[in-house]
Amino acid sequence: DIVMTQSPDSLAVSLGERATINCKSSQSVLYSSNNENFLAWYQQKPGQPPKLLIYWASTRESGVPDRFSGSGSGADFTLTISSLQAEDVAVYYCQQYYSTPYTFGQGTKLEIK
Amino acid sequence: QVQLVQSGAEVKKPGASVKVSCKASGYTFTSHYIHWVRQAPGQGLEWMGIIDPSGGSTSYTQKFQGRFTMTRNTSSSTIYMELSSLRSEDTAVYFCARGSSEVDGCFDSWGQGTLVTVSS
Repeated sequence: DIVMTQSPDSLAVSLGERATINCKSSQSVLYSSNNENFLAWYQQKPGQPPKLLIYWASTRESGVPDRFSGSGSGADFTLTISSLQAEDVAVYYCQQYYSTPYTFGQGTKLEIK
Repeated sequence: QVQLVQSGAEVKKPGASVKVSCKASGYTFTSHYIHWVRQAPGQGLEWMGIIDPSGGSTSYTQKFQGRFTMTRNTSSSTIYMELSSLRSEDTAVYFCARGSSEVDGCFDSWGQGTLVTVSS
């Protein structure tokens, strides 16, 4: 199974500042035939199901604000929130869909400083 | 709009089985795979398996092989998951999730979740 490891486990950022969450996979999730990274990011608020933010490592899902961006390739990825808003307080998960079983990172809890 | 509506919370004794439903609406039921993901209290997300609503084929993560079953009813656009031989560590919120339009392996719509509590 591919193990996904996020860092940090928790993060406190001031409103309007940048938040950065890292995700590392135990093997590359870059598929050579289409040069795509099989990596997604989700946001989960308390009592709610997760919400898809980004897929193919850097493609924003429809309706997701452009302050959210994804980057990285191979086995190292980053989710960046360029200017933190109060509504961004949540737990963020990365997920690989390169191979089954699909696996998630342990989550990063984002709070306001 | 796309909606996945799950059945209500369940309380079960160890060794029992539970069956959770997920009713889809707002899209063509057979055009998207459905996945099941669970989340133990205060914990992360765990993918369990996938079903193709069109043909009914399934794939399960090895951890649940033999006690996890997914079925579908195309006439009612409903997916069912059944977990047997329940133990306390199966206490979790169980989500159904739709494979996205762009790539099946990520999930663009989720049910509200069903809490399954296993307790004697």
